[in-house]
Amino acid sequence: AQSVTQLGSHVSVSEGALVLLRCNYSSSVPPYLFWYVQYPNQGLQLLLKYTSAATLVKGINGFEAEFKKSETSFHLTKPSAHMSDAAEYFCAVSPLRDKIIFGSGTRLSIRP
Amino acid sequence: DAGVIQSPRHEVTEMGQEVTLRCKPISGHDYLFWYRQTMMRGLELLIYFNNNVPIDDSGMPEDRFSAKMPNASFSTLKIQPSEPRDSAVYFCASSSGTSGRSYEQYFGPGTRLTVT
Repeated sequence: AQSVTQLGSHVSVSEGALVLLRCNYSSSVPPYLFWYVQYPNQGLQLLLKYTSAATLVKGINGFEAEFKKSETSFHLTKPSAHMSDAAEYFCAVSPLRDKIIFGSGTRLSIRP
Repeated sequence: DAGVIQSPRHEVTEMGQEVTLRCKPISGHDYLFWYRQTMMRGLELLIYFNNNVPIDDSGMPEDRFSAKMPNASFSTLKIQPSEPRDSAVYFCASSSGTSGRSYEQYFGPGTRLTVT
């Protein structure tokens, strides 16, 4: 069965520090992978997506993620955290090209 | 593009009442999804449609929940009768299955339902 595991339900970093949010997936077919962000009281917004082209994917707001098939990982990074990055982040996999399976989410907090 | 539109944004109702949530997907999208988000269970897929036809309703919690999509631009999620445990944020999302697209979903702002 296809699934997504996000390691760490809560991550806290200092402003200006590296952001690393971890995601591992399980899929029996080459997956499409996504990261979504949810700001308080808003819907989910697509941050970036992997669709079997380049393994390093760049998204909005300076985020990027690298697809590593050997590790079945799709970790999200940002070199320097801003206060405005505080939000909930969801990793997701789409093995069947219609339904998306979401992870449980990681809440990112930024310390001044 | 206006994005996915949901109404109402907030709904407060008493236990036993009927609740209807509404969604207008992005024009041209042929998939529509209904999700429920709570602190306890996170984001749950309730049901999704393709070309107005329900494809998978295995996430619908019980018979009190029903969803319809009478046309490509409108869908409803109905709860009858409502219970306090139905309190949650309900999201609608849409996507395009056109060949070459990556099926990313676009979410509406959600409806916050409170059942007292």
